[in-house]
Order: sequence, then structure tokens, then C-alpha cells
Amino acid sequence: KNEVEQSPQNLTAQEGEFITINCSYSVGISALHWLQQHPGGGIVSLFMLSSGKKKHGRLIATINIQEKHSSLHITASHPRDSAVYICAPNKETSGSRLTFGEGTQLTVNP
Amino acid sequence: EPEVTQTPSHQVTQMGQEVILRCVPISNHLYFYWYRQILGQKVEFLVSFYNNEISEKSEIFDDQFSVERPDGSNFTLKIRSTKLEDSAMYFCATTRGFFRTDTQYFGPGTRLTVL
Repeated sequence: KNEVEQSPQNLTAQEGEFITINCSYSVGISALHWLQQHPGGGIVSLFMLSSGKKKHGRLIATINIQEKHSSLHITASHPRDSAVYICAPNKETSGSRLTFGEGTQLTVNP
Repeated sequence: EPEVTQTPSHQVTQMGQEVILRCVPISNHLYFYWYRQILGQKVEFLVSFYNNEISEKSEIFDDQFSVERPDGSNFTLKIRSTKLEDSAMYFCATTRGFFRTDTQYFGPGTRLTVL
């Protein structure tokens, strides 16, 4: 079983829809990062969470440490949001290295 | 905004050849990482580097791999004798500090193709 599980693997939405991507992990973590990988391959950090909730523009990330679960929400989705979204925790037993999930491929159609 | 840069963007090499992938970190960043992503698979950690020493390495980072900071600016990943299975996108990432809560800034990647 993977230490980090994301769902769904693929998600297709219509422009304007509210999007939720989920991440569950089975190990103790010190922080969890959400990243975006563009179609060209480039990776951008979106959020780092150790508790609670963070918001940046139309993106919201939440984490529940007790339930070992995090979600990434996108409000008013737009075709430019189409990308792979990756959950990547810092495991307690590791240093600052990230352990990547498989990613969720999001496609937003106009 | 400062960026992490990587060269080359694409490297094609013959099996058994040595390759060096280069990364220029953001100038005040002190902690460096290499990750790789085989086509269609998830990103995997290779190695982290701080103060001219390896901090952590994964089981992938065997004796064929080495890292160094030769001139105080570049950070390099060397693969001594490439194998077909080394074909992947290699990402450099850097952070200002070494805390787990620090944002990792990724370079655009080098696509390595081993023939």
C-alpha cells in the first residue's frame, strides 16, 4: 500500500465548478505540501500545511492531522487550472525530503 | 522573482556514458535536492545536500550517482555510467533553510534520455 494516496486520479470539470482533490497518508508527518505540475513538467509549490487551513486566491488547502487527511479545493475553476496536483508530505522519520503522491490530473473544460 | 535554473533542458546519451546535470539555486538558498520522475510515474527523492555534504539519500542514489557544488553556485548531479532505466526527468529543488516547513523551489527539469 502506498504511503500517500490521492483521489481521484483523474478529474474532468466544467469551467466554474468547485473542485476537491483528496490526499490520505499512512505515516506520521511534520508537514504536507501541495504542488502543481504543469503540462510541460514544471513543478510549483502551492501550499505547505502543518495544521488547519490556508487560502491563496481561488485555492484552499486543509489538513486534519488526526485523520491523516488533506484536501485541496479550487473554487470557480478555470481551464488554466488544468494540471497535475500533487500531495507531498514530509515524513517525521525523514528530513526535509518530500514523499510524493501519484498526483491528480485535473482537466477543466471551457 | 528569483528562479532555480537547470541545464541542459534535454540530454540524450548512450548507455554507459557519464552525464552531469547542472542546477543553479536561488542565490540565498542553502539546501538543495535532486528528484527524478520516470515517465508516467510519480516524483521520487534522490538526495539532499547541505553545507557541502549529503544530508539524506534514497535507495535509488547508489554508487553510480554523486552530487557536488563545485564552484559555490552550481549544484550538480553526476551519473557515472548511465543505464536505460535512468531515463527520466530530473528536478533540482532548493530551499532557503532546512526546515520541513520551508517551501521547495523547483527548477524546470532536465529530461535525460539514455539510448
